[in-house]
Amino acid sequence: DGGITQSPKYLFRKEGQNVTLSCEQNLNHDAMYWYRQDPGQGLRLIYYSQIVNDFQKGDIAEGYSVSREKKESFPLTVTSAQKNPTAFYLCASSIQATNTGELFFGEGSRLTVL
Amino acid sequence: KQEVTQIPAALSVPEGENLVLNCSFTDSAIYNLQWFRQDPGKGLTSLLLIQSSQREQTSGRLNASLDKSSGRSTLYIAASQPGDSATYLCAVKNFGNEKLTFGTGTRLTIIP
Repeated sequence: DGGITQSPKYLFRKEGQNVTLSCEQNLNHDAMYWYRQDPGQGLRLIYYSQIVNDFQKGDIAEGYSVSREKKESFPLTVTSAQKNPTAFYLCASSIQATNTGELFFGEGSRLTVL
Repeated sequence: KQEVTQIPAALSVPEGENLVLNCSFTDSAIYNLQWFRQDPGKGLTSLLLIQSSQREQTSGRLNASLDKSSGRSTLYIAASQPGDSATYLCAVKNFGNEKLTFGTGTRLTIIP
């Protein structure tokens, strides 16, 4: 089945450690996105990529890094510079070519800093 | 800067009733508006997407309307069922902007 796969579903990190969240899609979508969700707040955009080997910062990129070496993969690294990394992270994708803008999401990864 | 508001934050409705969820936005120059459903601890599921040229979209028991001039969208759910219990979020995409602006959602509980 086509879709977006995020892993791991749950992740625990000690302070000072970097962690990488995986996002893979087999929808042949051009654009991919990373959002962060905190209780009582709307989703906030961390990074997005419209094409392989290119990506742009979103509203809260500080302390995060991404890469887009393959069309189907858009991993997110949460670095030790991120001051409050405990959150629910959501990866999404959309078809860039038709520009309908419909967004599809993965099941999310919950990161907890101990 | 686009701002999206969803009121109320929570809503409880007896099973079988029809209900309306609200979404308002401040900048009417939108490209599209999308409604999502989110179950606890899960990702978002796309329900309906309305392009700026459209007035409404329907899928099964769901009907979403769009009034750009008033900056409002509504999601109508007919004959509600306990399985409809979830958080419903709306998101707006503006022209020339790759980013969506999300509301904080309405947590819906259908009482059996």
